Amino acid sequence: DSGVTQTPKHLITATGQRVTLRCSPRSGDLSVYWYQQSLDQGLQFLIQYYNGEERAKGNILERFSAQQFPDLHSELNLSSLELGDSALYFCASSATDRHNSPLHFGNGTRLTVT
Amino acid sequence: GEDVEQSLFLSVREGDSSVINCTYTDSSSTYLYWYKQEPGAGLQLLTYIFSNMDMKQDQRLTVLLNKKDKHLSLRIADTQTGDSAIYFCAEFMDSNYQLIWGAGTKLIIKP
Repeated sequence: DSGVTQTPKHLITATGQRVTLRCSPRSGDLSVYWYQQSLDQGLQFLIQYYNGEERAKGNILERFSAQQFPDLHSELNLSSLELGDSALYFCASSATDRHNSPLHFGNGTRLTVT
Repeated sequence: GEDVEQSLFLSVREGDSSVINCTYTDSSSTYLYWYKQEPGAGLQLLTYIFSNMDMKQDQRLTVLLNKKDKHLSLRIADTQTGDSAIYFCAEFMDSNYQLIWGAGTKLIIKP
């Protein structure tokens, strides 16, 4: 058990809809990272927050946004969903703001857009 | 550009050693990681090596780093069915503080 909790485990929704994915980091970790894993794109880094502030941005679409709250949990909002957004979305946490700290991953949210 | 390459599949017999290879491009990499992803689960850190090391051993796992060839390998001794997973190589680049991931190698164990 990595200590990182993601909810929900599965999400099925229709095109055009909006969903929110939630992540609670491992106790004591200040950084939260969001990743998208799909069969054709592999593991793609989306965005990182550290202690409530955005720290790094990867290949995140404008339709997607995230935030980290004072209690350090994070939410990833996906809007105007398209079929191609179907993927596994992982949250990871680490102790520092440096991407070279070992990452602890949650078990992911599987999003299916129909 | 920045790239980390791995073979997509490796098939080995139970009890044999598995060697998963990875090549990277950035000579400024300071940390190189191996993560394991079992079916239906997130990625789990297996081991990592700092760029000033050539080798690191941890029980059945041996990591070898060849900086000249920018080649990283993970050897799993006495491969067991529980080792079936996808293994990801990742490099941390000091130049832009980014973690670059390989596509993952699926390890298949034959009985």
